[in-house]
Amino acid sequence: LAKTTQPISMDSYEGQEVNITCSHNNIATNDYITWYQQFPSQGPRFIIQGYKTKVTNEVASLFIPADRKSSTLSLPRVSLSDTAVYYCLVGDTGFQKLVFGTGTRLLVSP
Amino acid sequence: GAGVSQSPSNKVTEKGKDVELRCDPISGHTALYWYRQSLGQGLEFLIYFQGNSAPDKSGLPSDRFSAERTGGSVSTLTIQRTQQEDSAVYLCASSPRDRGGSGELFFGEGSRLTVL
Repeated sequence: LAKTTQPISMDSYEGQEVNITCSHNNIATNDYITWYQQFPSQGPRFIIQGYKTKVTNEVASLFIPADRKSSTLSLPRVSLSDTAVYYCLVGDTGFQKLVFGTGTRLLVSP
Repeated sequence: GAGVSQSPSNKVTEKGKDVELRCDPISGHTALYWYRQSLGQGLEFLIYFQGNSAPDKSGLPSDRFSAERTGGSVSTLTIQRTQQEDSAVYLCASSPRDRGGSGELFFGEGSRLTVL
């Protein structure tokens, strides 16, 4: 199983771009990289998923270098409501156990 | 359509009692996961079901914990002889696994267990 390492916490201000990097040195060929967001007292929810290069959706971008040993979640122009814990998850969803890392606690201030 | 449903949303029990937590996954989802989250902590993997295959129980913390999935749908997590350290939010997630690439996990709102 690919182990992930993320910063424990990050601070930002409204309107700034936030980049959260996750390391996953032993990622396997079939593994995808998925990011989840969790608010207090709620279950995590899907943000974005990628396999290689760059993926963009309406809320975030995901950058994955060629060696796939790391990935960066980019949140453009964060707002107070983006304050949450962000988890990087590496694996093949639905076909194996999926182990979450510690997550990154993002605090956005006015 | 309906999301992942978990019940009860809150459960308070006395030490030593047994509890059952229920998860109704999204219809048609073949994969089902249970996680535990203690206050302020990350998600701890407990068990994983995929279709009719034998479940991966490698995350269950002790033999007091068990889970089953009936008919490939509803799952029940049972904790026997509860201890105070079992107090946590128990989260269930399902995944469709219906396309070539990896899919996403759909989480329920969790069952908060408090053992007095």
